[in-house]
Amino acid sequence: NAGVMQNPRHLVRRRGQEARLRCSPVKGHSHVYWYRQLPEEGLKFMVYLQKENIIDESGMPKERFSAEFPKEGPSILRIQQVVRGDSAAYFCASSRQGHQGDTQYFGPGTRLTVL
Amino acid sequence: GENVEQHPSTLSVQEGDSAVIKCTYSDSASNYFPWYKQELGKRPQLIIDIRSNVGEKKDQRIAVTLNKTAKHFSLHITETQPEDSAVYFCAASTVGGGADGLTFGKGTHLIIQP
Repeated sequence: NAGVMQNPRHLVRRRGQEARLRCSPVKGHSHVYWYRQLPEEGLKFMVYLQKENIIDESGMPKERFSAEFPKEGPSILRIQQVVRGDSAAYFCASSRQGHQGDTQYFGPGTRLTVL
Repeated sequence: GENVEQHPSTLSVQEGDSAVIKCTYSDSASNYFPWYKQELGKRPQLIIDIRSNVGEKKDQRIAVTLNKTAKHFSLHITETQPEDSAVYFCAASTVGGGADGLTFGKGTHLIIQP
């Protein structure tokens, strides 16, 4: 699980700016999941992607948020026109296969602060 | 969708005693239940998981039990040590259509008193 990389680890943005979070899965994993964690809360599922495909985005707000996992390079979670309520820790996880019950390994998270 | 409830929110035990954390879930089709440990400022780390075809699983001082009929599962930590202090999250898998996101409980802050 040490193989999931996220950057930046900390990100500060002013209201209205864009935040771009990156996630590189464990080598050999082709399934990526993004979660959001508010202070003193559990993790909330946002989106599940395979290479070049969004499989399930049911947990992601329909406006301002988007995610991609291109054929080459890391997965990107993009938040446009950030607001204070977007301040949270964003974790990505990866798994080797996407079937139910495949272990998800988490990255160290990106802590987003919106001023 | 799936809903996972976790109790207690805070648990304080003496070092060497046992700790039990309980979770219930709502979706009877869920069949994968992992437990994650998260230390302050760190990533969640998988400590044990159970699938619905078994009722109990052990790994040294950690065990998880699952009651599918009642839709609840529990984490048991025996002979607790100071390094067990952390927040523990239970989770259940969602179902269908390739949706593999985990639904998490709100966490239990476990405090081991020396």
